[in-house]
Amino acid sequence: EPEVTQTPSHQVTQMGQEVILRCVPISNHLYFYWYRQILGQKVEFLVSFYNNEISEKSEIFDDQFSVERPDGSNFTLKIRSTKLEDSAMYFCASSERGTSLRETQYFGPGTRLLVL
Amino acid sequence: GDSVTQMEGPVTLSEEAFLTINCTYTATGYPSLFWYVQYPGEGLQLLLKATKADDKGSNKGFEATYRKETTSFHLEKGSVQVSDSAVYFCALTGGYQKVTFGIGTKLQVIP
Repeated sequence: EPEVTQTPSHQVTQMGQEVILRCVPISNHLYFYWYRQILGQKVEFLVSFYNNEISEKSEIFDDQFSVERPDGSNFTLKIRSTKLEDSAMYFCASSERGTSLRETQYFGPGTRLLVL
Repeated sequence: GDSVTQMEGPVTLSEEAFLTINCTYTATGYPSLFWYVQYPGEGLQLLLKATKADDKGSNKGFEATYRKETTSFHLEKGSVQVSDSAVYFCALTGGYQKVTFGIGTKLQVIP
């Protein structure tokens, strides 16, 4: 069964450093998403992406964050200057379509980011 | 805005016990409802879903019924196994593209 993959599984970085989290969505999916889960808190939506553009973003997704689809298979989340509070599990997801309420998003295994 | 409320747990059950994890939601319109499961060390996996009122989602012995009148989507299983130990997330998609999650309920099944 096709699945979303993410790399790395764990990343440790120093405050102020840039990190790039990578995702390979399911191949025929057109909509891509990033979510994060701070330890002990809810999974929170960050951003959705379609047709090489951000289609929706939350208030968490400020200027420190950016997303890109650099080629036909990868989808990346970049955090320009990490802060301690960016420590979280980051999930990538994809869906075949994004406009239907009945659409299911399929999630990757997550990248655990620790900012020291 | 949309929100999902579920019991926080942890829930500890003996093998073969009956499981209920309560979930209620607030949303505008008619959302689709989901249960996701996260096994230790793994990502979020879709367990089941229901897209309209009175629909019943089911998978791997788990069931949940979309109750519009009570805005609920409680997860049930008649006989849990040790392998069901995981964190269970109730979630919805409303009028926007994002999935809104509950806090997650940790289930531990002991032999």
